[in-house]
Amino acid sequence: SYELTQPPSVSVSPGQTATITCSGDQLWDKFICWYQQKPGQSPVLVIYEHTKRPSGIPERFSGSKSGNTATLTITGTQAVDEADYYCQAWDSGKVVFGGGTKLTVL
Amino acid sequence: EVQLVESGGGLVQPGGSLRLSCAASGFTFSSYWMHWVRQAPGKGLMWVSRVNSDGSNTIYADSVKGRLTISRDNAKNTLYLQMNSLRTEDTAVYYCGRESCSGGNCYFHHWGQGTLVTVSS
Repeated sequence: SYELTQPPSVSVSPGQTATITCSGDQLWDKFICWYQQKPGQSPVLVIYEHTKRPSGIPERFSGSKSGNTATLTITGTQAVDEADYYCQAWDSGKVVFGGGTKLTVL
Repeated sequence: EVQLVESGGGLVQPGGSLRLSCAASGFTFSSYWMHWVRQAPGKGLMWVSRVNSDGSNTIYADSVKGRLTISRDNAKNTLYLQMNSLRTEDTAVYYCGRESCSGGNCYFHHWGQGTLVTVSS
């Protein structure tokens, strides 16, 4: 079955740039989106179509893709951004999530 | 405002059954494909199943195929997940999600708050 690979954890200092990667076979040919999930809450879409932000998502969130790796970038990371982040793609009509990355802001 | 409200979770013994519901409001339910996604305690998101807008087409994750059944009642604006032959590994928060598509990309812009299913003796 198709897999998306994310680093289990990423740490960043407040105000710095956080980058979270998501890799998978033939990812160059797939759309990627990203979700943020805080403890006890439902996931929130932060990036879709690789680079687009839904309304209400701060500009500091951006997405990109190069080859088989997609990247979520948070510029000027704030304490409120501490959360789990998941990438998501489709394969053979099924939804696939990455394993998730815990972002720690310290 | 789009709202998705899950219900029906609870404690069930291994081998038992449960039916989850997801009540939708604030949008034309019959126009959207709907999904179930689950999250085991302390674990990541796992996609479970999808149903098309009129309920005629469904697809499942391999790990639940044959035991979980997704369906919908467009007259009642409600999505269902019938869960049979439950296993301890089915213990999770179950979320319903509305599929939105743009430019060929489909994603979950709207999620419910989740309902907890615990499979334990």
